[in-house]
Amino acid sequence: EVQLVESGGGLVQPGGSLRLSCAASGFSFSSYWMHWVRQAPGKGLVWVSRTNSDGNSTTYADSVKGRFTISRDNAKNTVYLQMSSLRAEDTAVYYCARDGGNSWYFDCWGQGTLVTVSS
Amino acid sequence: SYELTQPPSVSVSPGQTASITCSGDKLGDKYACWYQQKPGQSPVLVIYQDNRRPSGIPGRFSGSNSGNTATLTISGTQAMDEADYYCQAWDSSTVIFGGGTKLTVL
Repeated sequence: EVQLVESGGGLVQPGGSLRLSCAASGFSFSSYWMHWVRQAPGKGLVWVSRTNSDGNSTTYADSVKGRFTISRDNAKNTVYLQMSSLRAEDTAVYYCARDGGNSWYFDCWGQGTLVTVSS
Repeated sequence: SYELTQPPSVSVSPGQTASITCSGDKLGDKYACWYQQKPGQSPVLVIYQDNRRPSGIPGRFSGSNSGNTATLTISGTQAMDEADYYCQAWDSSTVIFGGGTKLTVL
């Protein structure tokens, strides 16, 4: 069974940092692009970042560029999102998602981890 | 930047056909996909590459994409289909979601 499990969310002060992890199982992780998508409370889905299968090509939404870094460890079947200079508007549930065919759609999602940025 | 526009809400009677639209400039030149999200749950892919259905998604879900509009159609809508639906496309190596449509089955 394909499974994605996020962890690392929590409460952080504005300007702080946090690292999210997403552990994958049930598929050949190193063959797939991976993404992070977030959803603020009561709001819609917003794409955050993507890494290719090797981790040597990454892209970011303008709203997080320069503050967030996506990375992956294919030996550990894990993708990460390092978040720094966090702002109140970064408060959201963060989902990791598998790219269905390296084609910019998401065929499997984790359960999400909540990040709250507040003093 | 590229934008996708969805109606905030759509209502349908059980057993009838629901259509949810997603508009964007020359959207028909891109691939569109659709996600269903029920309260408290993660999104689920229901249509990808305009009209392809993932395994496990019922046949009553279908999609089309032409011109400036992609459409998700649910035939014989059931109460379990009540959810938020999001369209999605990609442009210039970034992903864009529509604002979401709340489908009410009443």
